Amino acid sequence: EPEVTQTPSHQVTQMGQEVILRCVPISNHLYFYWYRQILGQKVEFLVSFYNNEISEKSEIFDDQFSVERPDGSNFTLKIRSTKLEDSAMYFCASSDWQGGRETQYFGPGTRLLVL
Amino acid sequence: AQSVAQPEDQVNVAEGNPLTVKCTYSVSGNPYLFWYVQYPNRGLQFLLKYITGDNLVKGSYGFEAEFNKSQTSFHLKKPSALVSDSALYFCAVRSPTSGTYKYIFGTGTRLKVLA
Repeated sequence: EPEVTQTPSHQVTQMGQEVILRCVPISNHLYFYWYRQILGQKVEFLVSFYNNEISEKSEIFDDQFSVERPDGSNFTLKIRSTKLEDSAMYFCASSDWQGGRETQYFGPGTRLLVL
Repeated sequence: AQSVAQPEDQVNVAEGNPLTVKCTYSVSGNPYLFWYVQYPNRGLQFLLKYITGDNLVKGSYGFEAEFNKSQTSFHLKKPSALVSDSALYFCAVRSPTSGTYKYIFGTGTRLKVLA
């Protein structure tokens, strides 16, 4: 069964450094998402992406964040200058539509720790 | 203010009994409503989504949810609980705000199914 993959599984970085989180969505999916979950807290939506552009973004997704689909298969989330509060589990998802219904498939997540 | 509430931090149910995990929302416009599940030490999984149409939505793993507009609720249900259903369940709503869409997640309800 096809699945969404994410790399790396864990990343540790220093505050102020740039990080790039990578996701490979399911190949025929057209809608892509990033969410994050701060440890022990609720899930937060970051951004959705369709047709090579951002379709929705939350107030969390400020100028420090960007997304890209550089080569038609990868979907990346870049944090330009990480802050301590960016430490979280980051989940990528992709979705398909069948019969007018959308189903999202999530990757296993990347645990980011900012020191 | 727009919000999603999951009034129960934890729900305990005996295996084989029906289960209900509650969710209420307060948003303007016509919301899209979602349920996600997070199993221990694993990522998020999508369960189901309501957009429009039939108020009873069927999803993965035998779960269903009923959209009740008058009560602004979207409770998750399953006729017969399994021990393997024990997990953290998140309700979410997508709502238009200021020309864009915003996803709001509830704080989660931990379901414990007892053998």
